[in-house]
Amino acid sequence: EVQLVQSGAEVKKPGESLKISCKGSGYSFTSYWIGWVRQMPGKGLEWMGIIYPGDSDTRNSPSFQGQVTISADKSISTAYLQWSSLKASDTAMYYCARLWAATEARTYYFDYWGQGTLVTVSS
Amino acid sequence: QSVLTQPPSASGAPGQRVSISCSGSSSNIGTNTVNWYQQLPGTAPSLLIYGNNQRPSGVPDRFSGSKSGTSASLAISGLQSEDEADYYCTSWDDSLNGPVFGGGTKLTVL
Repeated sequence: EVQLVQSGAEVKKPGESLKISCKGSGYSFTSYWIGWVRQMPGKGLEWMGIIYPGDSDTRNSPSFQGQVTISADKSISTAYLQWSSLKASDTAMYYCARLWAATEARTYYFDYWGQGTLVTVSS
Repeated sequence: QSVLTQPPSASGAPGQRVSISCSGSSSNIGTNTVNWYQQLPGTAPSLLIYGNNQRPSGVPDRFSGSKSGTSASLAISGLQSEDEADYYCTSWDDSLNGPVFGGGTKLTVL
């Protein structure tokens, strides 16, 4: 059974750093892209970036470029989302999801999702 | 402002049929397939439709998807109370080289 299990909720102060995780199991972790998606309170889904754990190739959404760092440790089947200096506006639910990519069919979708990590940034 | 455009809300009575539209451009829906996610209150999104009109295992055939040009739609027939959720369309964007989402449609079952 494919599973993505994310780390628990975090409460941080502005300016603090944070790294949240997403551990995959039940499939070949190095063979699928993992994406991160933000959902601010009461708002929609926003793609932040994707990483291919096999070689750590990373693509960031222009909206999040320079704001966060996406990484992965394939030895423990875990992807990460990291901030160096949090802002109140980073308060949101963050989801990781596995990307199914069928390039020739021009079909790309997130087929499995983590349960989400709620990040609250408040002074 | 989301790249894909959806109506913010939709509604229907139990048993009725509702449709949710999704509009994009040549760099996303016009070139790549469309997928739909359902997000029940307080839960993570789950895949509802992929490849324009394919249902993952376990998704009832009351849910169907279609695409024409740079637009797509999700239809739900035989509406049930448990269908009350947020629905998001998404497609790959070749200019962005990543996925783009619609703003979401909140479905209310009257």
